[in-house]
Amino acid sequence: AQSVTQLGSHVSVSEGALVLLRCNYSSSVPPYLFWYVQYPNQGLQLLLKYTTGATLVKGINGFEAEFKKSETSFHLTKPSAHMSDAAEYFCAGRGGSARQLTFGSGTQLTVLP
Amino acid sequence: EAGVTQFPSHSVIEKGQTVTLRCDPISGHDNLYWYRRVMGKEIKFLLHFVKESKQDESGMPNNRFLAERTGGTYSTLKVQPAELEDSGVYFCASSQGPRTGDTGELFFGEGSRLTVL
Repeated sequence: AQSVTQLGSHVSVSEGALVLLRCNYSSSVPPYLFWYVQYPNQGLQLLLKYTTGATLVKGINGFEAEFKKSETSFHLTKPSAHMSDAAEYFCAGRGGSARQLTFGSGTQLTVLP
Repeated sequence: EAGVTQFPSHSVIEKGQTVTLRCDPISGHDNLYWYRRVMGKEIKFLLHFVKESKQDESGMPNNRFLAERTGGTYSTLKVQPAELEDSGVYFCASSQGPRTGDTGELFFGEGSRLTVL
């Protein structure tokens, strides 16, 4: 069965610093992987997704993630944090014929001035 | 194009009462999902409709929860009677029908926050 683990429920970075949010998955089949973001009082918004092909995936707002099969990881990065990046981030995946997503527990990102 | 809309945005009820949450998916989306997030934990799958049919309801916690999707359009999720542990945020999501190469990207609503006192 698919499972997704996010390391760190809270991450704080300074404005302009590198953002790194960690996600590991476990699956017996090639997964589809997603990062979603939830801003306060809003729904979940897709940041980026990995399906097949290129392992480095670029998303919106300058975020990107790299699918590393050998490490079963799909970490989210952004070179320079902005105050507007403060939100909760969710890693999610699905494998094989499953249609529903399995979510990680979420990481709250705080950006310090 | 309108996104996924959910109503109400917040509901406060007492233990033992009934609450009905509604979700309007994106027009033309055959797949509709309900998810729940309880007290800062992970977002968990509840069930999946394909048009009006329940494709997978393995995540429904117990028989106090009843989901319907009338005519394959909007969906309701009823909790009767509500218990304290039902408090959380209920998300609805929709996606297009399956096709070759479909990644099943889900479009989420803003969620309905349920507080049971």
